[in-house]
Amino acid sequence: QQQVKQSPQSLIVQKGGISIINCAYENTAFDYFPWYQQFPGKGPALLIAIRPDVSEKKEGRFTISFNKSAKQFSLHIMDSQPGDSATYFCAASRNQGGKLIFGQGTELSVKP
Amino acid sequence: DTGVSQDPRHKITKRGQNVTFRCDPISEHNRLYWYRQTLGQGPEFLTYFQNEAQLEKSRLLSDRFSAERPKGSFSTLEIQRTEQGDSAMYLCASSAEGQSYNEQFFGPGTRLTVL
Repeated sequence: QQQVKQSPQSLIVQKGGISIINCAYENTAFDYFPWYQQFPGKGPALLIAIRPDVSEKKEGRFTISFNKSAKQFSLHIMDSQPGDSATYFCAASRNQGGKLIFGQGTELSVKP
Repeated sequence: DTGVSQDPRHKITKRGQNVTFRCDPISEHNRLYWYRQTLGQGPEFLTYFQNEAQLEKSRLLSDRFSAERPKGSFSTLEIQRTEQGDSAMYLCASSAEGQSYNEQFFGPGTRLTVL
């Protein structure tokens, strides 16, 4: 019940295309869902996050879509750029604090 | 730089030695977290402090691991009698109680290699 499952494991997208990464969770007590971006040798950087009272949140080229009934959420990167090439992690937690449960990660490569 | 800092950035040690890592959180953050990340995997939770109180420990945190946050500011993570399986990136994160989102900000990590 604590797991967060992420897919795909790797993704190759052409410059200007849309990158889509999906996550699913089991624990209905989770109410905070962030996405992190990690470059090699660096710590994860918070990208965008959502709470389940909204179905979509957009920040620039990054959008989270949230489906509470299906217990799924996804990250969409519009107009993908080579600089977006990194590993992306979804996560879940209870919003009042406490540990983040991370997905397994998606290695994104954006080809010029 | 007002982000989370960790020291050292890299540590190479021999099996059986003790190692200690330090984390300095963002100054106004009272929550501090330790995670471990192995190659190709997402970070795994180890332990969590609110101020100086250690509120939760993972089963991953064996008796050889101990974490402290004595004055509610910086934290240390000690691994005793290191094993090759301890080789990983150790990440620290911090957050502020009372903010609208449980936003955790990570440091650059300490990469541990046990020979």
